[in-house]
Amino acid sequence: KQEVTQIPAALSVPEGENLVLNCSFTDSAIYNLQWFRQDPGKGLTSLLLIQSSQREQTSGRLNASLDKSSGRSTLYIAASQPGDSATYLCAVRRAGNMLTFGGGTRLMVKP
Amino acid sequence: EAQVTQNPRYLITVTGKKLTVTCSQNMNHEYMSWYRQDPGLGLRQIYYSMNVEVTDKGDVPEGYKVSRKEKRNFPLILESPSPNQTSLYFCASRPSGGRGYEQYFGPGTRLTVT
Repeated sequence: KQEVTQIPAALSVPEGENLVLNCSFTDSAIYNLQWFRQDPGKGLTSLLLIQSSQREQTSGRLNASLDKSSGRSTLYIAASQPGDSATYLCAVRRAGNMLTFGGGTRLMVKP
Repeated sequence: EAQVTQNPRYLITVTGKKLTVTCSQNMNHEYMSWYRQDPGLGLRQIYYSMNVEVTDKGDVPEGYKVSRKEKRNFPLILESPSPNQTSLYFCASRPSGGRGYEQYFGPGTRLTVT
């Protein structure tokens, strides 16, 4: 059974810092990995999707990497801003339409 | 605007009273799913559908039903809700045709069963 773990569970950084969020998964037979952002009481916003054949994806200040063989992904946020404060979730897609989510990392960027 | 909508957004009900949460998407997506989100347990998939009249169980299907009679709609039915179904529910959709398509999520429905 696929298990997805995100470390750390919570992170507080001063504005301007670069930071890395980690996601690990136990079964490397995935189709893709997706990073989401969730604001309190809100839905999920897709940030980046990495296909199983890719190593990384970039969007603005965000860069996500994938090492399928070791079951790891990282989300790098450059020059963090208070508006980046949210919970970040990673999810892996396996057969059919099955998505397995990690528990999330709650990020606080202090001005 | 491309979106996934859910109704109602908030619902308080009593044990045993049947309810339906609606989900609709305007992107002509084939795949639709329902998730529940609970503190400490994260997001877990309840049911998913690959197209009209094609549905399958996710990780936590007990106590739920779904139907997919139209491509755009995927309602979640709780025939006899219980307090352990108090949760935040999300509907999602994505196109078929490959491995690289993103999931789009609705805004969520917060359900309380007393």
